[in-house]
Amino acid sequence: AQSVAQPEDQVNVAEGNPLTVKCTYSVSGNPYLFWYVQYPNRGLQFLLKYITGDNLVKGSYGFEAEFNKSQTSFHLKKPSALVSDSALYFCAVRSLLFSGTYKYIFGTGTRLKVLA
Amino acid sequence: DGGITQSPKYLFRKEGQNVTLSCEQNLNHDAMYWYRQDPGQGLRLIYYSQIVNDFQKGDIAEGYSVSREKKESFPLTVTSAQKNPTAFYLCASSFPGRQETQYFGPGTRLLVL
Repeated sequence: AQSVAQPEDQVNVAEGNPLTVKCTYSVSGNPYLFWYVQYPNRGLQFLLKYITGDNLVKGSYGFEAEFNKSQTSFHLKKPSALVSDSALYFCAVRSLLFSGTYKYIFGTGTRLKVLA
Repeated sequence: DGGITQSPKYLFRKEGQNVTLSCEQNLNHDAMYWYRQDPGQGLRLIYYSQIVNDFQKGDIAEGYSVSREKKESFPLTVTSAQKNPTAFYLCASSFPGRQETQYFGPGTRLLVL
């Protein structure tokens, strides 16, 4: 079965320090991986995606993610955290359904708190 | 939140009542989706539609119904058969294809009176 795991419910980091939000996946075939961010009572905003090519993907707001095929991971990173980065982060994988269509499988989310 | 609108922002349901959540997009996307979000459970797929006049059940379709009469619109009805409807509901859309990004609306919070 295809799945996504975010092993940390919450990550705390001091402002200005680097941050990492972890994601591991289990899929058959080549994975198409995504990161989204959600602010309170809002929809999800797309941050970045990995389709193919360079293992380091750069996205919005200074975020980047590193795809590691051997470790089946797609961790989200930022060199210097801001208080405004505090939000709920979701990792997702695009999954091929039996019908030939696609759906997303989301992780359970990681709450990031950046402390001033 | 792009070109996807959801209404209302908050919705209150009385016991035994059916309620309908609206989702409209002007992105010319073929595919549309409904998710339910509960604390600590991430997003769960309710229904999805790849083209007009066609839709498929997701992982938690019981107690919900949808229609897709127009490309731009994908309303979700929460029926009285859904015994625990309190949640945050998110609509999303995308072009078909494995590489396409899914974009989300701002959400509707459904509460039971």
